[in-house]
Amino acid sequence: QLQLQESGPGLVRPSETLSLTCTVSGGSISSSVYYWGWIRQSPGKGLEWIGSVYYSGSTYYNPSLQSRLTISVNTSKNQFSLNLQSVTAADTAVYYCARLIFSGYAGWFDPWGQGTLVTVSS
Amino acid sequence: DIVMTQSPDSLAVSLGERATINCKSSQSVLYSSNNKNYLAWYQQKLGQPPKLLINWASTRESGVPDRFSGSGSGTDFTLIINSLQAEDVAVYYCQQYYSTPPTFGQGTKVEIK
Repeated sequence: QLQLQESGPGLVRPSETLSLTCTVSGGSISSSVYYWGWIRQSPGKGLEWIGSVYYSGSTYYNPSLQSRLTISVNTSKNQFSLNLQSVTAADTAVYYCARLIFSGYAGWFDPWGQGTLVTVSS
Repeated sequence: DIVMTQSPDSLAVSLGERATINCKSSQSVLYSSNNKNYLAWYQQKLGQPPKLLINWASTRESGVPDRFSGSGSGTDFTLIINSLQAEDVAVYYCQQYYSTPPTFGQGTKVEIK
């Protein structure tokens, strides 16, 4: 059974970089069939797709975040990561990682990690 | 971006009754070349991540009870929960994957009356 688990700091200072890692277990991140994505959920903006990555390293970003965003994959560790630069309070949210099915830039998400709350505050 | 709008924002339904949730997209999510609607439905229980219920607008995921059904085409979609059970209390979201970025509705909260 495929499982995903997010990890990273729960508190990030304004203007700094938010860094999270998603560890995939019960399956290989190197599958040619799937993509791997990040989604965040906040009271103000609801569910928002952040971006996705393929095992080859190809990336797909939400244009609204693209200028601050880097997503990468580490196949040897079965992990993929998110770096979001120059964060503000508006980036406070629960961050989820999920398997993305269909394509890297648009598909459905299944399953999801449990999510991790990241608060941006000084 | 395609805007997904759900209605109502919340509803209270008696146990055993039907719950109906609507989802409207700002443009069609029907791909004419394969006649498929690029729409998914999720269930999110309190303190849990969203769980995929339905994709392609009407295809139930394995293990999802058959009291959940999805319908609609183009820009108007419906999720029906027949014979509501206590464990169905949750927020339900629709999501389009017709174009990037994939976008979600604001959610519909289902409670027991």
